[in-house]
Amino acid sequence: KAGVTQTPRYLIKTRGQQVTLSCSPISGHRSVSWYQQTPGQGLQFLFEYFSETQRNKGNFPGRFSGRQFSNSRSEMNVSTLELGDSALYLCASGRQGAHQETQYFGPGTRLLVL
Amino acid sequence: AQSVTQLDSHVSVSEGTPVLLRCNYSSSYSPSLFWYVQHPNKGLQLLLKYTSAATLVKGINGFEAEFKKSETSFHLTKPSAHMSDAAEYFCVVSRTQAGTALIFGKGTTLSVSS
Repeated sequence: KAGVTQTPRYLIKTRGQQVTLSCSPISGHRSVSWYQQTPGQGLQFLFEYFSETQRNKGNFPGRFSGRQFSNSRSEMNVSTLELGDSALYLCASGRQGAHQETQYFGPGTRLLVL
Repeated sequence: AQSVTQLDSHVSVSEGTPVLLRCNYSSSYSPSLFWYVQHPNKGLQLLLKYTSAATLVKGINGFEAEFKKSETSFHLTKPSAHMSDAAEYFCVVSRTQAGTALIFGKGTTLSVSS
């Protein structure tokens, strides 16, 4: 069974631009969560989707948004990019969306903002 | 509110000696706790998880962790370190009881010398 896939793997943008990242969960998984990983702040939760509904949201500004489609694929968007948005963005999928189940992580999208 | 604290940012051991990575947690309810490992330029992989069943949890690659409610700890151990264990390790707690959002510790870098 294929794992979680994320596209693109690498991205370079300039300040003020916007970016869309994509995540395809493991087949049959219904939940997708997004995380930002930086050397300074570590791994921080962005948001979580289950059955096309956002269930939880982390403490990030409104420039960060996301959505989930009926096939469970998810996208996240960052508008008006800032230098501090440079990070590794990870998504994770889960089968039933329960708090005790294993989350499977993708390889991440590395975003560099110049 | 949920939180985890990894007590050591860096641990160095010799190959064949025991490994101990320390983690304390704070939770307002019975938590789900996880240890994830991240090898350089690779994705996050689940080592083991505690979900209120047995307090001693066995994971992959010889790792295990013990949930101690009285000490609010969930330390990760391995009897004998291998060179391939060198990586970053994250102690993780479920953010809520409804959903899959996770709160990550700052991470412990494990170095293994020959």
